[in-house]
Amino acid sequence: RKEVEQDPGPFNVPEGATVAFNCTYSNSASQSFFWYRQDCRKEPKLLMSVYSSGNEDGRFTAQLNRASQYISLLIRDSKLSDSATYLCVVSPGAGSYQLTFGKGTKLSVIP
Amino acid sequence: GAVVSQHPSWVICKSGTSVKIECRSLDFQATTMFWYRQFPKQSLMLMATSNEGSKATYEQGVEKDKFLINHASLTLSTLTVTSAHPEDSSFYICSVPRQEGNQPQHFGDGTRLSIL
Repeated sequence: RKEVEQDPGPFNVPEGATVAFNCTYSNSASQSFFWYRQDCRKEPKLLMSVYSSGNEDGRFTAQLNRASQYISLLIRDSKLSDSATYLCVVSPGAGSYQLTFGKGTKLSVIP
Repeated sequence: GAVVSQHPSWVICKSGTSVKIECRSLDFQATTMFWYRQFPKQSLMLMATSNEGSKATYEQGVEKDKFLINHASLTLSTLTVTSAHPEDSSFYICSVPRQEGNQPQHFGDGTRLSIL
C-alpha cells in the first residue's frame, strides 16, 4: 500500500462548480497534514495545512479524519485559476521536516 | 520573495554528460537540504538529504555514485547527475526545512532535466 494515496483524476469541472479531493495515508503516526498546489513544471506551493478540527480558507475547506486516516479538500466556486495539480502531503510532525507526497490529482476548470 | 534559489531551471544535454544543479538558501543558514525527483504524473520522491559538512543520506534505491551531493556551506547544496542517460530525465527540486509559520519546507523552483 502506498503511503499517501489520492484520487487518480483528472477532474474536469466548469467554473463555479464545487469539487472535492480525497486522500488516505497509511502511517497512523503521522502528525501533520497539508494540501499543496503544483502548477505544470513548477515547484509545489503550500495551499493550506489541515487541522484535526477542520479548517477553511476562503473557498477552500480541509478536513482530517484521523480514525480513518483520511484527508479531504473541498473547493467551492471553482475559478479558472484553480486549475492545477493538488498534492496531499503528510509529515511525521513532532519536529520532523520530512514530507511524503501523494501523486496528486489534476484539476482543470473549464470556462 | 524567494527563500530558496535553484539553478539552472532547465537543462538539455547529451547522454553521458554530467549535470550539476545548485540549491541556495538565500536568507538563512541551512544545515540540511532535501533533494526530490518527480517523473511525469508521479509524486515527488525524496532522493536524499544533504547534510552540511558530512555525507548525504540517500533513500533506498538511489545510487550514491550516480547522484553526487555536496553541501559545502550553510547556504549551498549541489546535486550532480553523473553520466546522465535519458532515464534520468526528470524534474529535480530542492528544498530547505523551515519551521516558520505552517511551512515545513521551502522549495526551489525546480530543474527540468532532459537527456537526449
